[in-house]
Amino acid sequence: AQKITQTQPGMFVQEKEAVTLDCTYDTSDPSYGLFWYKQPSSGEMIFLIYQGSYDQQNATEGRYSLNFQKARKSANLVISASQLGDSAMYFCAMRERQGGKLIFGQGTELSVKP
Amino acid sequence: DSGVTQTPKHLITATGQRVTLRCSPRSGDLSVYWYQQSLDQGLQFLIQYYNGEERAKGNILERFSAQQFPDLHSELNLSSLELGDSALYFCASSVAPGGDGNTIYFGEGSWLTVV
Repeated sequence: AQKITQTQPGMFVQEKEAVTLDCTYDTSDPSYGLFWYKQPSSGEMIFLIYQGSYDQQNATEGRYSLNFQKARKSANLVISASQLGDSAMYFCAMRERQGGKLIFGQGTELSVKP
Repeated sequence: DSGVTQTPKHLITATGQRVTLRCSPRSGDLSVYWYQQSLDQGLQFLIQYYNGEERAKGNILERFSAQQFPDLHSELNLSSLELGDSALYFCASSVAPGGDGNTIYFGEGSWLTVV
């Protein structure tokens, strides 16, 4: 069965520094997609970045990059040059090719310190 | 703005009552998903529709029901409400029901408080 694990309930980072949020996954499907979402305190769920299991290169979207290590089944989110507005809950999620739904991890709460 | 519209944003209702949450997917998206987020359960998948047909079912209670209409908007009906149903309910949409590179975008959520 699919499973997403985020082992860091909370993290702190200094403004302007980089931070890595960990995510490991488990699936028997050879084709799957990995997603990261940001949920600020206001509640909305904001899509950040996507990585397909067959993508050869790590995905990047502005200050966000996904460190995809397929053999280790990890999909860590790297945020460069952290900003105060990055303080939020971050969720890793996975969808298998045949299944439409996303399975979420428990989330990591990131706090950016000035 | 994700393009997914949910109404209402907030509602407070009493136990035993029934409410309807509404969702309009992004333009061009045919698949709609409903999720429930609570403090103790995290993000739980409830149900998915694709082009009007139920596609997948998750941990949706029998007191809850949903449908997707011909214009692709969707409604989630919650009845005989209990205190434990208080949660943030998300609607999300995507172009297709699965496949690679098929991003799922979420609405801003509907905060439901049952008192």
